[in-house]
Amino acid sequence: DAGITQSPRHKVTETGTPVTLRCHQTENHRYMYWYRQDPGHGLRLIHYSYGVKDTDKGEVSDGYSVSRSKTEDFLLTLESATSSQTSVYFCAISASNNSNSNQPQHFGDGTRLSIL
Amino acid sequence: QKEVEQNSGPLSVPEGAIASLNCTYSDRGSQSFFWYRQYSGKSPELIMFIYSNGDKEDGRFTAQLNKASQYVSLLIRDSQPSDSATYLCAVSKAAGNKLTFGGGTRVLVKP
Repeated sequence: DAGITQSPRHKVTETGTPVTLRCHQTENHRYMYWYRQDPGHGLRLIHYSYGVKDTDKGEVSDGYSVSRSKTEDFLLTLESATSSQTSVYFCAISASNNSNSNQPQHFGDGTRLSIL
Repeated sequence: QKEVEQNSGPLSVPEGAIASLNCTYSDRGSQSFFWYRQYSGKSPELIMFIYSNGDKEDGRFTAQLNKASQYVSLLIRDSQPSDSATYLCAVSKAAGNKLTFGGGTRVLVKP
C-alpha cells in the first residue's frame, strides 16, 4: 500500500469552527491532492499541490485552503466549517513529474467529517 | 453533459461470468484513463490504467480504450463475489494529472 496517512479518520464539529485535515506521505511524491466524495456527486477535486508551497485550485475549492510546507505533508483547512462541507475527504498522491505526468494516483483511507 | 459518465447500475453478474463496464468522456484532450474499485466505506483502489488505444490486460481485468469514440471500458472475467464493489472511471488531461471521476458503476456478483 502507498504510504499515505490521513488524520483524523473521523471528526464531528460545529458550524463556524475551523477544521484542519492532514495528509502525510512517506513516498516522497511530488503531487498531492485533496478530494471530497458525496452521494450523487462522486469524487471531486478540491485542491492539489505540485511541490512545496506550490498549490492550485480544483473543481470545488470555495471555502477551503491548503498548505504544503514539507514534501510529506499536505493540509486542508476549512476556515469556518459549514454543513455543506460534511463529506468524506480523501487525500491522494502521485509520482507524476515534469517528464512523466500521467502516473496513477493512490488514495489514503479518508476522513469522515460531520459538521453539525 | 457530465465530463465523465458511467451507468450507476447496479450491474448484476452471475459468479464466473464476465462483467462489462463502460465509461464515456467528453474532453477529446483527455490522455490518461484509470479504473478504481471502491468497496463500501473504503477508499478507491487503483485497478488499471491505460493511455493508448486498444486493450490492456492484467489478470482477470481488461481495459479497453477507444479515443475516437471517447469511451473506455473495463471487463472483469470470471467474476467473483469479492468483485462486488463500485467501479470508478477517472480521466486526466495530464497537466497536473488532475483526475475527473465518473459517478461509478455498482457491480453485484451473485453466487
